[in-house]
Amino acid sequence: QVHLVESGGGVVQPGRSLRLSCAASGFTFSSYAMHWVRQAPGKGLEWVAVTSFDGSNKNFADSVKGRFTISRDNSKNTLYLQMNSLRAEDTAVYYCARAIYGAVGWHFDLWGRGTLVTVSS
Amino acid sequence: SYVLTQPPSVSVAPGQTARITCGGNKIGSKSVHWYQQKAGQAPVLVVYDDSDRPSGIPERFSGSNSGNTATLTISRVEAGDEADYYCQVWDSSSDLLYVFGTGTKVTVL
Repeated sequence: QVHLVESGGGVVQPGRSLRLSCAASGFTFSSYAMHWVRQAPGKGLEWVAVTSFDGSNKNFADSVKGRFTISRDNSKNTLYLQMNSLRAEDTAVYYCARAIYGAVGWHFDLWGRGTLVTVSS
Repeated sequence: SYVLTQPPSVSVAPGQTARITCGGNKIGSKSVHWYQQKAGQAPVLVVYDDSDRPSGIPERFSGSNSGNTATLTISRVEAGDEADYYCQVWDSSSDLLYVFGTGTKVTVL
């Protein structure tokens, strides 16, 4: 069975850093672009970052650009999100998601269960 | 950046049909994807590329897209369909490449 399992969430003070991980299993991880999507408490989904299948191309939402970095280790089937200079508004459940290119664009066909990040003093 | 607008809520009786709209400028020229998110759970893809269903998704879920509105239709609604639903597009011309709609809460009466 295909799975994505996030870890690394927790409570962190504003201005500090945190690294999230996403372990993939059941599929050829190195063949897929991978994303982070977050959801603040009681709010909608917000795309955060993407890395190409080989890690050579990356892109970020403006809200995290310059503070977050995305990386992957295909030998370990693991995706990462390094979050620096955290703010209260970064508080959210962070999901990793697998992306598929369809007829015209990309969609997310597999999601992890998410990990909660709380930024609070 | 590209904006997708959904109604905050839709209520429907069991056995009836629920229609959830997703409005965006010339959205008919893009592929629209729909996700179901039940309380406390991760999103699940229910329709992709406007009207295709992933394996395991019931035929009761269907989609359409034209002009400035995409629609997710849930036929013969069941209690288990109660969830939040989000539309999503990929907008290569925007700074925000992957855009989600505002979300619609479907309540089964």
